[in-house]
Amino acid sequence: AQKITQTQPGMFVQEKEAVTLDCTYDTSDPSYGLFWYKQPSSGEMIFLIYQGSYDQQNATEGRYSLNFQKARKSANLVISASQLGDSAMYFCAMRRAGGYQKVTFGTGTKLQVIP
Amino acid sequence: DVKVTQSSRYLVKRTGEKVFLECVQDMDHENMFWYRQDPGLGLRLIYFSYDVKMKEKGDIPEGYSVSREKKERFSLILESASTNQTSMYLCASSSTDRERVGYTFGSGTRLTVV
Repeated sequence: AQKITQTQPGMFVQEKEAVTLDCTYDTSDPSYGLFWYKQPSSGEMIFLIYQGSYDQQNATEGRYSLNFQKARKSANLVISASQLGDSAMYFCAMRRAGGYQKVTFGTGTKLQVIP
Repeated sequence: DVKVTQSSRYLVKRTGEKVFLECVQDMDHENMFWYRQDPGLGLRLIYFSYDVKMKEKGDIPEGYSVSREKKERFSLILESASTNQTSMYLCASSSTDRERVGYTFGSGTRLTVV
């Protein structure tokens, strides 16, 4: 079974500062993928970034980067230069290798960016 | 713009009613999923489907059923709605070939059972 743990229910960050959202996972599968999603107050779920378990480098997408530490089973999301529009719920998720596989989500972290 | 469309944004139903939540995607995705989202619990998988007429139970299928008669449409059915099924329901789809791309989600249906 797969499990995702997000231990920070809520966080605050000052505008223009960087912030790290924690995520640890548990799986016995040798090949898997890790995802981060953003959910603004409007409710839509927005895919942010993906990391494959065999990727040689940590994933980056614009201001988002994923700090992947395989041995520690952690996949923290780093948001650089926070903006007010980054205020949202953030979900870490994982999936076994294979685009058809189901995704397991964590409980989420609510990030609030302070002006 | 590719889309997953859920038929209702808000829905209020009475206890015991049979409730249909509809989801349609226009991306020719093979895989479709129904999740419910509750505060503090994240997203939990109810049912998913790999192909037309195929369905698999997720983590919390009790009290729900699904139907997938056409590739683009995946329906969630609450056989006899109960108050503990009050929740946000999210439909998602994915392509088997695009493993590195996350789900595409619908905008959600907030269901209240009274």
